[in-house]
Amino acid sequence: KAGVTQTPRYLIKTRGQQVTLSCSPISGHRSVSWYQQTPGQGLQFLFEYFSETQRNKGNFPGRFSGRQFSNSRSEMNVSTLELGDSALYLCASSPRLAGVWDTQYFGPGTRLTVL
Amino acid sequence: GQQLNQSPQSMFIQEGEDVSMNCTSSSIFNTWLWYKQEPGEGPVLLIALYKAGELTSNGRLTAQFGITRKDSFLNISASIPSDVGIYFCAGQTSGSRLTFGEGTQLTVNP
Repeated sequence: KAGVTQTPRYLIKTRGQQVTLSCSPISGHRSVSWYQQTPGQGLQFLFEYFSETQRNKGNFPGRFSGRQFSNSRSEMNVSTLELGDSALYLCASSPRLAGVWDTQYFGPGTRLTVL
Repeated sequence: GQQLNQSPQSMFIQEGEDVSMNCTSSSIFNTWLWYKQEPGEGPVLLIALYKAGELTSNGRLTAQFGITRKDSFLNISASIPSDVGIYFCAGQTSGSRLTFGEGTQLTVNP
């Protein structure tokens, strides 16, 4: 089975711009979660999507948003980029079977640099 | 909010030595997970623990889910150079939201 794929792997933007990152989960997985990883804050949960609906949200400003498509692929968007948004953005997928705490599998991440 | 305290922050060991790291929390978790991350890559799942008291092995790795559900440890036996990386514990309560520890940077000298 192919793993979680994320595109692009690297991205450079300038302050004020907006960016869209893409994630394709493992085939058959229906849940996609997004995390931000920075040296100072570590791995922080952004949000989770399941069946095209946001099910869970972390403590990030409204500039961070996402969506999920019917094929479970997900995108996250960051508007009005700030220098502090520079980070590794990780996507994780899980089957999300009812009643089971599913294990999450991570993609390689998108390294975003904001200049 | 929930926080995980992971220790030690870093370890420098000789090849062949055993390694132990742990995570503690003030909150209860339903699942404990251990991941390894190498530079430029996402975390890779090593071991998943689903029941309090559970002890699970994966090759040279052994992890335990604490009885109180507030802690977990990971042991690596007979370390080898490719064990180098950052090890993260993660706790899970509901849904797919993971709370991560700060990570343990492991360096193995040949």
